[in-house]
Amino acid sequence: DAGITQSPRHKVTETGTPVTLRCHQTENHRYMYWYRQDPGHGLRLIHYSYGVKDTDKGEVSDGYSVSRSKTEDFLLTLESATSSQTSVYFCAIRARGQGTNYGYTFGSGTRLTVV
Amino acid sequence: DAKTTQPNSMESNEEEPVHLPCNHSTISGTDYIHWYRQLPSQGPEYVIHGLTSNVNNRMASLAIAEDRKSSTLILHRATLRDAAVYYCIEANAGGTSYGKLTFGQGTILTVHP
Repeated sequence: DAGITQSPRHKVTETGTPVTLRCHQTENHRYMYWYRQDPGHGLRLIHYSYGVKDTDKGEVSDGYSVSRSKTEDFLLTLESATSSQTSVYFCAIRARGQGTNYGYTFGSGTRLTVV
Repeated sequence: DAKTTQPNSMESNEEEPVHLPCNHSTISGTDYIHWYRQLPSQGPEYVIHGLTSNVNNRMASLAIAEDRKSSTLILHRATLRDAAVYYCIEANAGGTSYGKLTFGQGTILTVHP
């Protein structure tokens, strides 16, 4: 989908190593989100950002940190990867349409495997 | 926890209409109703959203009950490409929620040829 890209698309890493996932948008939207998706759990919010250097925790933030030094990039870091963080990670941006209507656009996901 | 309730699965035949129900009995007056779908190995895709009035777009229609406690996503003619997991979500425009989405398990739609 135009406007949002995630990198890398796939990654295998070892337990205990740091990992950074990148979400890049070209839409200049203020709100960005990181979700993870596991079988049987649907999508769960990890962290979100409501502006440059403005971030906050979601429901499953333990073991993760984020940074947003510029509008277009929202980085998710696993400080010390564990097997429980094996998951598919999705980034989302919140668009704004007419009036107060808005829709969300999701990236294609990053499949992370921690071995 | 998700604030919406959807059936776990539904089935349809190709080229027939599909009505996907969603209950959101505790929805606040300022929450929008969003629908997203997720095809296998892809990220969720926006389908439609609304507040009070019924909404139509090129993908689907959204019928919202007068009391806003339930809604129905209508696919007018299902195709095999519509087979996906459909999520109904309450979305607040802002304030302290910052527009965070809470996903439930969704409805798995199977379309038979």
